[in-house]
Amino acid sequence: GENVEQHPSTLSVQEGDSAVIKCTYSDSASNYFPWYKQELGKGPQLIIDIRSNVGEKKDQRIAVTLNKTAKHFSLHITETQPEDSAVYFCAASISGNQFYFGTGTSLTVIP
Amino acid sequence: DAGVIQSPRHEVTEMGQEVTLRCKPISGHNSLFWYRQTMMRGLELLIYFNNNVPIDDSGMPEDRFSAKMPNASFSTLKIQPSEPRDSAVYFCASSPGGKTYEQYFGPGTRLTVT
Repeated sequence: GENVEQHPSTLSVQEGDSAVIKCTYSDSASNYFPWYKQELGKGPQLIIDIRSNVGEKKDQRIAVTLNKTAKHFSLHITETQPEDSAVYFCAASISGNQFYFGTGTSLTVIP
Repeated sequence: DAGVIQSPRHEVTEMGQEVTLRCKPISGHNSLFWYRQTMMRGLELLIYFNNNVPIDDSGMPEDRFSAKMPNASFSTLKIQPSEPRDSAVYFCASSPGGKTYEQYFGPGTRLTVT
């Protein structure tokens, strides 16, 4: 089955700096890659996603890049704010069926 | 839209008792997923339904776990009998289905089995 690895497990940045979280996947058939943000005591919230026919996608301060050849994708958050502090999960999926999640990155934005 | 609704939000029960978790998906969504989250194993899929039909239950840990979806607006996950190792946060997620792959998660049920 699919194996998704996520790094780093923890990340601290100063407010205003950028944060980058990286994931790799193993199954070349995976074609959908969502990113979720989970705040304490809440369910994961979809923040951005990308499909395999696209190399990059942006939404305001958040961007995701995908390298199909290398089987890795990354989340980029620019101009970080304290409210960006949360646990972020990547996932890989074949056509939206089973999601295989990474182990999560705990992001702390220091004011 | 109210989003995915789960109940109860917290459940504390004794080993051996039956536990039933409930989920109401987003109206119009055709797929429903049950996940379990623990520190050790992260987020893992237990079972998912398309159009109320169970498609893949290979993630269900053992026969003590069962899930049903009697109609498009309601699903249950039952554990009978419960064990301390079942303690976790259980999430329900729904998706429009078809070519729309996004899954939207509920707030979760925190289960503690003593």
